Amino acid sequence: DGGITQSPKYLFRKEGQNVTLSCEQNLNHDAMYWYRQDPGQGLRLIYYSQIVNDFQKGDIAEGYSVSREKKESFPLTVTSAQKNPTAFYLCASSIQLGDAEQYFGPGTRLTVT
Amino acid sequence: GQSLEQPSEVTAVEGAIVQINCTYQTSGFYGLSWYQQHDGGAPTFLSYNALDGLEETGRFSSFLSRSDSYGYLLLQELQMKDSASYFCAVRSNFNKFYFGSGTKLNVKP
Repeated sequence: DGGITQSPKYLFRKEGQNVTLSCEQNLNHDAMYWYRQDPGQGLRLIYYSQIVNDFQKGDIAEGYSVSREKKESFPLTVTSAQKNPTAFYLCASSIQLGDAEQYFGPGTRLTVT
Repeated sequence: GQSLEQPSEVTAVEGAIVQINCTYQTSGFYGLSWYQQHDGGAPTFLSYNALDGLEETGRFSSFLSRSDSYGYLLLQELQMKDSASYFCAVRSNFNKFYFGSGTKLNVKP
């Protein structure tokens, strides 16, 4: 079964710690994205990647970092510089950058106290 | 800046028809997408309009008017499982997508 996996589903961290969220896809998609969703709000783009070894900042990249060393994987690190990291994080992919249909993973709910 | 406006909540009864509107103001417009998201779940793609007019996919239809910066999602023959949040998203410059805040649809028996 092809799809996107994110782990873990729930993650708890203490303030001041960096944390890495996993995102893996076996759809053979070139483009991958990270979004953040806060209660009652839409999705906001953190980072995106058009192809392996390439990624670009989205609208709210401050306090986050990513890597794209493999086509299948696009991990997101939430650093201690992110002022308000508690949120629902969604990873998505599409065949190529700009495709209307993005496939989303199940999300990781991060709580930082 | 980018802004998308959708109603925050809509309620309808099973079997009815409901329309969810989306107005947008973005720098650069290439098309309008719609996604469905059940509570705690992942958004799933419903439709995409790049040109003016109505696109129909089963019980769901989506409409776009580029001149009015407006689109809507039409859900017919509502079912209880349609209770979810619905997001419109604009494809803008540099292949970025901007999402609205979502419309929570409550379907009542």
